[in-house]
Order: sequence, then structure tokens, then C-alpha cells
Amino acid sequence: QQQVKQSPQSLIVQKGGISIINCAYENTAFDYFPWYQQFPGKGPALLIAIRPDVSEKKEGRFTISFNKSAKQFSLHIMDSQPGDSATYFCAASKGYQKVTFGIGTKLQVIP
Amino acid sequence: DAGVTQSPTHLIKTRGQQVTLRCSPKSGHDTVSWYQQALGQGPQFIFQYYEEEERQRGNFPDRFSGHQFPNYSSELNVNALLLGDSALYLCASSFTTSAGSGDIQYFGAGTRLSVL
Repeated sequence: QQQVKQSPQSLIVQKGGISIINCAYENTAFDYFPWYQQFPGKGPALLIAIRPDVSEKKEGRFTISFNKSAKQFSLHIMDSQPGDSATYFCAASKGYQKVTFGIGTKLQVIP
Repeated sequence: DAGVTQSPTHLIKTRGQQVTLRCSPKSGHDTVSWYQQALGQGPQFIFQYYEEEERQRGNFPDRFSGHQFPNYSSELNVNALLLGDSALYLCASSFTTSAGSGDIQYFGAGTRLSVL
């Protein structure tokens, strides 16, 4: 049962462009929605996170948009750079409980 | 401040063998969770340890077992290895508050297990 659905699975963006990754969740009990960035051979690193009482959170070039009624959230990467090329996972959790991950989006930013 | 550390980084085993993976949590953290990440997939939750006990378990067989020590470090044991157990095994640590909350999990670099 895939409780967090992520799309697209791969994304190619030109340098300076906007990368957009979308996720949808099913379990309305989730109360924490992190995004993780993973480079080859490394573990996932927390990038940015949001709670459902906020509709948007911005940290530098990274923005999460959250739509509680639609049970959807998305990651926007502004001014995408080649160094942003990685796999991005959306995730959801409740309290201390397990983190449920999406399938991942492999982002490639081309010069 | 050391983050989450895992050992070994790589491991090669044959079918039927047993393996033990180790994890030291981030300083100040008391909760350890283990995940399995198959190639091209998102991490899948195996189990979580808190106060030296398994607090939550994912959909993994009993061949997967663990332990947490008084210093909060943890081990993941897998018995009777199958080819399908080949994956990146990730450890994540977090802090559980007195109210029972605690959600930010920090991941280690993982142990790459290859079963031949």
C-alpha cells in the first residue's frame, strides 16, 4: 500500500529553471511532511519540512506548498543548479512513528 | 557533533548466512529506526527502537531482528539471507519527547549489503 504517491519519477530541468515535484498522501493522521535529498552512495538528508497548519514554507531556493484539503504537497526548486541533481523523496509521518516515503524523483539539472 | 554513523559501509554475504549491521545515533537522540532501500526505491521501514525495546515494526519477516543498547546505539540482524535482501540499509535517529512526540529523523549514510 503506497501511502505517499510521488511524481514524476524523473525530471530534467535546465540550469536556472524551476523544478517541481508533487506528492499526495492518503493518511490524514500524518502531521509532518519532510523532503529528503539523496546523492548516490549517501543516505537521505533532510532538506525542508512542513506541518499541515502552514500552507507554504520557503528556505532559500526551496519551497514547499501544502494543500491540506487536497492532501497534496509539492517541492519547488527555484533557479535550479547542476549541484541540485539528486534523488528527492517526499515523506510523511505522525509523531515519533515511522517515516513513509514516496518512490523518489531523480532530478537532473543540465547546464 | 557527529551525525548518525553506520558500520560497515559495504558487506558481501552469501545466501543463508547471517549479518549484523551497526548504528550510532546522533548525539542527544534516543530513538533509532531502521529502513531498507532497494535500488531505485524509497526507504521502507523495518522497525524502531526506543528504551531498548522494539516500539514499532514494519512489514518485514522475523528474520529481521534488532537490538538497542543502553547508550542508544543499535544493531540490525538478518538471518538466513536471501538474494532479495540485497539493499542499502539505513539507520535514522531521532529524539522522543516526554510527551511522546518526536518526528525529525536524521539518516546515516547506510550499509550496502550484497547477497550472492
